Amino acid sequence: GAVVSQHPSWVICKSGTSVKIECRSLDFQATTMFWYRQFPKQSLMLMATSNEGSKATYEQGVEKDKFLINHASLTLSTLTVTSAHPEDSSFYICSARGGPQEQYFGPGTRLTVT
Amino acid sequence: DAKTTQPTSMDCAEGRAANLPCNHSTISGNEYVYWYRQIHSQGPQYIIHGLKNNETNEMASLIITEDRKSSTLILPHATLRDTAVYYCIVRALSSEKLTFGTGTRLTIIP
Repeated sequence: GAVVSQHPSWVICKSGTSVKIECRSLDFQATTMFWYRQFPKQSLMLMATSNEGSKATYEQGVEKDKFLINHASLTLSTLTVTSAHPEDSSFYICSARGGPQEQYFGPGTRLTVT
Repeated sequence: DAKTTQPTSMDCAEGRAANLPCNHSTISGNEYVYWYRQIHSQGPQYIIHGLKNNETNEMASLIITEDRKSSTLILPHATLRDTAVYYCIVRALSSEKLTFGTGTRLTIIP
């Protein structure tokens, strides 16, 4: 199947700083990518849908000014957590849509804010 | 997209077939049934999907009832590496989103 990578796989940052997470589709082009967040022992929650060349669509309750999404090319989307706080500590997972039926997930990025 | 109901957890002996049920009684005619699994601390992995016919691939089989209100994912010979949370998701092709429920935590017992 198609491969989606994320970088970094884990990151620790101090409260108040910003962190950027990259999501890349390695062997296919993805006009649409998705960002999810998963807290311990909980399911994945969709944060936003990222479309190449246009603004992301955020789910209800997700602050767009805090979670900045950029989808500048058909193979790269980035999520920047601005002014991170300990409650933003979570597992962030991206996925990329490879076709009408396929959606491939990255390995996830574990963010810890101290 | 229609909601799904899955058991919270299941155990299965190694080497046996693991049968994971999913109820989707409000499924619409244009909605597909997808199965993903998530091994601890990894991203979800696609397993299989179907509309109304039974499907089989190298990982699993998907059995969908004739009325499409429920389905069963079958892992024919479970191994310890199949221990994961399994998610049953209903989605129309026109919908971009995958909405994850709580899934079934499957534990393969040696």
